Amino acid sequence: GQNIDQPTEMTATEGAIVQINCTYQTSGFNGLFWYQQHAGEAPTFLSYNVLDGLEEKGRFSSFLSRSKGYSYLLLKELQMKDSASYLCAVRDQAGTALIFGKGTTLSVSS
Amino acid sequence: SAVISQKPSRDICQRGTSLTIQCQVDSQVTMMFWYRQQPGQSLTLIATANQGSEATYESGFVIDKFPISRPNLTFSTLTVSNMSPEDSSIYLCSVDRVPTSTDTQYFGPGTRLTVL
Repeated sequence: GQNIDQPTEMTATEGAIVQINCTYQTSGFNGLFWYQQHAGEAPTFLSYNVLDGLEEKGRFSSFLSRSKGYSYLLLKELQMKDSASYLCAVRDQAGTALIFGKGTTLSVSS
Repeated sequence: SAVISQKPSRDICQRGTSLTIQCQVDSQVTMMFWYRQQPGQSLTLIATANQGSEATYESGFVIDKFPISRPNLTFSTLTVSNMSPEDSSIYLCSVDRVPTSTDTQYFGPGTRLTVL
C-alpha cells in the first residue's frame, strides 16, 4: 500500500530553524513534493526532489534519500508568516496524481 | 504555473441535494484531478478526470456519488450527489501540465462545501 508519514504538529520561534521529516512507502517513485498550505487557502508548491540530495531555494531547503524513503523540509530564519500546514506528497508513477501525507502544522511564535 | 479558477468558491446545501463544481484552467493541461480535504485533514484524491473518457476513481469513491465531466483540456466539473453532512469538505481541482517532467501539480482555490 501507499503510506506517507509526517509529524502532526511542530512549534518553533521566530528566527529559528525547523526540520519537518517525511517518510514514505509507495509502490513506485517519480518525485517527492513539499507544499505549504495556510488556513483556508489552497496548497502552494514549495519544492521538488527526484534525485538524492539537497535542493535549496532561499530560506527553504528539501532533502531526499530514496534508499531510505525519507525526506525533510528545512525552514531557516523562521517568520511568523511561516505558520502553516506543510504537506509532503509523492508521485509514484509519471502521469498520476500526487499522494499526500496528513500534513504537519507548524506554529511559529515570537 | 497554471491559473486555475473554481466555481462556486463556497456553498451551503441541504441534505439530499446535489452540487456541481466547475474548474477552469487558463491553458490546456494534460492531467486534471479532483481532491477532497475534510476539516483538519490532508488531501485525498477522488478521481482523475480524463478528457473524452470516463474518470478514473480511487478506492472508496464511485461515479454515482461523484460524477465527473471533462469535455476539453481546460475544463472539468465534479458533482457531489445526494449530499449528506459527511460530504462537508473542501473540494480542490488540481492540474499537471506535463506529467512526465519535473513540473508539479497546481491547485485551484477550492470550493468550501457545507451540508446541513
